[in-house]
Amino acid sequence: DAKTTQPPSMDCAEGRAANLPCNHSTISGNEYVYWYRQIHSQGPQYIIHGLKNNETNEMASLIITEDRKSSTLILPHATLRDTAVYYCIVRVSITGAGSYQLTFGKGTKLSVIP
Amino acid sequence: KAGVTQTPRYLIKTRGQQVTLSCSPISGHRSVSWYQQTPGQGLQFLFEYFSETQRNKGNFPGRFSGRQFSNSRSEMNVSTLELGDSALYLCASYYKETQYFGPGTRLLVL
Repeated sequence: DAKTTQPPSMDCAEGRAANLPCNHSTISGNEYVYWYRQIHSQGPQYIIHGLKNNETNEMASLIITEDRKSSTLILPHATLRDTAVYYCIVRVSITGAGSYQLTFGKGTKLSVIP
Repeated sequence: KAGVTQTPRYLIKTRGQQVTLSCSPISGHRSVSWYQQTPGQGLQFLFEYFSETQRNKGNFPGRFSGRQFSNSRSEMNVSTLELGDSALYLCASYYKETQYFGPGTRLLVL
């Protein structure tokens, strides 16, 4: 799976949009971009994933550049509860009975400030 | 649907003992993976089970083992505990290309 690069930390004012970047310049055509977050001492929480098109769900939006070498996770109105470590992961999509594992990097520690 | 559940949530053991952790996946999910998280090494993949068979294994010593039952529930076992085994152990179940994690079991080895 391709490697990802994320800034170690970011701050965001409460109520503003949080834009978390991720670089994955070696991504292959069949690799998805996944985002998880982990609030202190809890299990990672799935946020969103995408292949090439931009995606939106009730939690966030995922913007993937046209060349797919980078992406941005957008939390539209950050709250204090969004303070967490955010992980960007690139992995091959395996359907059927294929094996599955996630390789976590160090992620970005997002601090939402009142 | 209920999420992934893990028991116990907290555990204290002493060196040399063994421990068994349990994971119940989301209903209908047949794949279960285990991860270890420590401050120094971060989140590391231990192994994955599907239909009671281990499909993939991370780079951990043989003291770490697991199994999966016919109802997809899974257990992992660590024998001869070492201080370095103190960690948050996470279980995740997988469905339609997405893994969903449980709250974890925090193990402290004294």
